[in-house]
Amino acid sequence: AQSVTQLGSHVSVSEGALVLLRCNYSSSVPPYLFWYVQYPNQGLQLLLKYTTGATLVKGINGFEAEFKKSETSFHLTKPSAHMSDAAEYFCAVRSYNNNDMRFGAGTRLTVKP
Amino acid sequence: DAGVIQSPRHEVTEMGQEVTLRCKPISGHNSLFWYRQTMMRGLELLIYFNNNVPIDDSGMPEDRFSAKMPNASFSTLKIQPSEPRDSAVYFCASSLVGGLPDTEAFFGQGTRLTVV
Repeated sequence: AQSVTQLGSHVSVSEGALVLLRCNYSSSVPPYLFWYVQYPNQGLQLLLKYTTGATLVKGINGFEAEFKKSETSFHLTKPSAHMSDAAEYFCAVRSYNNNDMRFGAGTRLTVKP
Repeated sequence: DAGVIQSPRHEVTEMGQEVTLRCKPISGHNSLFWYRQTMMRGLELLIYFNNNVPIDDSGMPEDRFSAKMPNASFSTLKIQPSEPRDSAVYFCASSLVGGLPDTEAFFGQGTRLTVV
């Protein structure tokens, strides 16, 4: 079965600083990987996903993530944080041949003015 | 499409009462998921269906929880009897798997359940 580990339950950055949220996965078969964002009192919405092809994936709101098979990682980055990026971020994994999607524990991002 | 629709958005009930949460997936999607979110345990997969058939219910906490999907456009999650520790936000999500291409999971707005 696949699983995801998100390093750091809370990350705080200053506005304009680099955002780096870490995600490592475990999967015995080629994974599909996802980053979701959750704003207060809302459901999760997709930021970006990796299925096949290019390992650097660009998503909405200026976020991107790189699939590194050798490191079993899928870290989320954004060059310059904005106040509106404050939210909880979830990394998720499913294998290519089934739809059992598993989420990490989440990372709460705080952006300081 | 209106997205995944969950009802009710909020539910407050007394311990011991039956609670039914409802979900309408996105039309055309063939997979449906029920998740529970709490501060302590994060986002937990309770059960998922593929083509209306339950595939994995190993995440269902105990026999008090049951889920059904009588057709492609409707699913319920029932808790009977409810307990205070069931208080959480319950999310339903749907996706298309095996399509060209597969889609990600689309989430509803959630049902916030409070058992007093």
